Amino acid sequence: DIQMTQSPSSLSASVGDRVTITCRAGQTISSYLNWYQQKPGKAPKLLIYAASTLQSGVPSRFSGSGSGTDFTLTISSLQTEDFATYYCQQSYNNFPITFGQGTRLEIK
Amino acid sequence: QVQLQESGPGLVKPSGTLSLTCAVSGVSISRSYWWSWIRQPPGKGLEWIGETYHSGSPNYNPSLKGRVTISVDKSKNEFSLRLSSVTASDTAVYYCARRGQDLESGYYYMDVWGKGTTVTVSS
Repeated sequence: DIQMTQSPSSLSASVGDRVTITCRAGQTISSYLNWYQQKPGKAPKLLIYAASTLQSGVPSRFSGSGSGTDFTLTISSLQTEDFATYYCQQSYNNFPITFGQGTRLEIK
Repeated sequence: QVQLQESGPGLVKPSGTLSLTCAVSGVSISRSYWWSWIRQPPGKGLEWIGETYHSGSPNYNPSLKGRVTISVDKSKNEFSLRLSSVTASDTAVYYCARRGQDLESGYYYMDVWGKGTTVTVSS
């Protein structure tokens, strides 16, 4: 299995802050990395795929970068609606599909 | 608009079989997508259970040790999950999702999710 490790596990920030979440894969996965946002009691929502491609309808303050084993999700200016848990997921041609453990983004 | 909706018993007895169905609307299940199941234990992260294509050829998470079966019913435009020999550790919110592919880049992603259904394993 490809292990996905996110850091930090939790993060406190204020509206307007720039925030970066990191995801590291246990082996190289090229750019086969997706990011999801999950709010309490809701299903995950796709934000970014292929490491850096913004899903249709997702605000441009979200961006992703990286390739190989190290990836980042950046929110350029936090909005109230961005406080949620974020998951990375590898989509490399390798089963099982695996997710990071999640990063909980809280209001400071 | 593509929508997925999970349904099934919310309570399953230990050693029993968990059975869930995901109804697909807005797209034919025979289109070129993988139809997936993911679960989330209370307060924990996401675990991929497995997926199937409309023609069969399912892929499963080895961690579930042969307890999983995912199948498609094209006539009803739905797919199903069966998980046998359940224990309390199978208590979770179960999501169905569509795994699609960006035709230009070839990358896969889960772009449509159901709202999830809570399954509790308890006597």
